[in-house]
Amino acid sequence: DSGVTQTPKHLITATGQRVTLRCSPRSGDLSVYWYQQSLDQGLQFLIQYYNGEERAKGNILERFSAQQFPDLHSELNLSSLELGDSALYFCASSGGAGEGETQYFGPGTRLLVL
Amino acid sequence: AQSVAQPEDQVNVAEGNPLTVKCTYSVSGNPYLFWYVQYPNRGLQFLLKYITGDNLVKGSYGFEAEFNKSQTSFHLKKPSALVSDSALYFCAVRLPLLGSARQLTFGSGTQLTVLP
Repeated sequence: DSGVTQTPKHLITATGQRVTLRCSPRSGDLSVYWYQQSLDQGLQFLIQYYNGEERAKGNILERFSAQQFPDLHSELNLSSLELGDSALYFCASSGGAGEGETQYFGPGTRLLVL
Repeated sequence: AQSVAQPEDQVNVAEGNPLTVKCTYSVSGNPYLFWYVQYPNRGLQFLLKYITGDNLVKGSYGFEAEFNKSQTSFHLKKPSALVSDSALYFCAVRLPLLGSARQLTFGSGTQLTVLP
């Protein structure tokens, strides 16, 4: 158990809908990262937050957004969902202050868009 | 741009034999390198990382990896494979720039199957 929790574990929804994925980082970790894992794109970085502020953006669609709250949990919002958004979404956390820090991954949320 | 390659989609090895999962990287500067393992329907578990120092890094579950700067490689190894090592292995790279974003760039993954 990495200490990173994600809810829900599974999500089934329809095209055009909006969903919110939630992540709680390990205790004390300030950085939260979101990654998407799909068969065709592999594991791709989406976005990073550090202590409530956006730090970096990857290949994140404009339909997707995220935020990190004062208690450091993070939410990834996916809207106007398309079939191609079906994927496994991972959250990871790290201390955020030291060099070479390890990212610890949650169990993921499996999203299926029908 | 930084990138990492795992040239083998699939590696099969007999139980008890040594295993190697290959990883090469392409970055400017001195990278930080990581190995993660993913079991079915599970998240990624950290195995080991190279930051600096000794080129041979030891990690969890008996795995080790050797950083080779001249060959830009970071191959994952284990002296004696177990059936329970069967999983999907990912190599990842990050540039060590202070104040920068810390996202990982992952390879495409290598499916390791250890045959009994």
